[in-house]
Amino acid sequence: GQNIDQPTEMTATEGAIVQINCTYQTSGFNGLFWYQQHAGEAPTFLSYNVLDGLEEKGRFSSFLSRSKGYSYLLLKELQMKDSASYLCAVRDSNYQLIWGAGTKLIIKP
Amino acid sequence: ETGVTQTPRHLVMGMTNKKSLKCEQHLGHNAMYWYKQSAKKPLELMFVYNFKEQTENNSVPSRFSPECPNSSHLFLHLHTLQPEDSALYLCASSQDKEAYNEQFFGPGTRLTVL
Repeated sequence: GQNIDQPTEMTATEGAIVQINCTYQTSGFNGLFWYQQHAGEAPTFLSYNVLDGLEEKGRFSSFLSRSKGYSYLLLKELQMKDSASYLCAVRDSNYQLIWGAGTKLIIKP
Repeated sequence: ETGVTQTPRHLVMGMTNKKSLKCEQHLGHNAMYWYKQSAKKPLELMFVYNFKEQTENNSVPSRFSPECPNSSHLFLHLHTLQPEDSALYLCASSQDKEAYNEQFFGPGTRLTVL
């Protein structure tokens, strides 16, 4: 079966760095997405990786290793507004997105 | 209106009611999606429409019936639902189903079935 694993919850301190991991087993691979979802709101797109390596976008970076079925989202200079759930999703061979359950990130002052 | 809109934002219905959820996208996209989001569970893809044609139905019970009259509008018709159908229903759109770009989500309809 298809499976996306990510930690249920993480806690970090304002101003620090946090890394949220995602491992996947899917039938085919056509890219990996990270989304941010604040409580009660729609998921919003953060990043997309289809080739191995690091994609940097401001305070957020995303890394992919296809051979290991592994990705991480790196958040730097954490702000209170970064408190949210972070969703990892893989596009499979049918171009469907397979989603993880999300990682709830709690930022403390 | 911009982006993806959904109405209503909240809906409470009995098991014998019939209701419809509406989604509209103002992005010129050709693919639209219905997802179910339950607490602490992954997003579940329900239906996919690409250029107004339904391309996916992921074993969704027949009490959920989608309709896509044009590429900008998507409906989810509900009838004789069960309490376990209570969840957040999210609509999303993308350029097309196979394009290498992201999906844009609406704010969702919080559905409670009594």
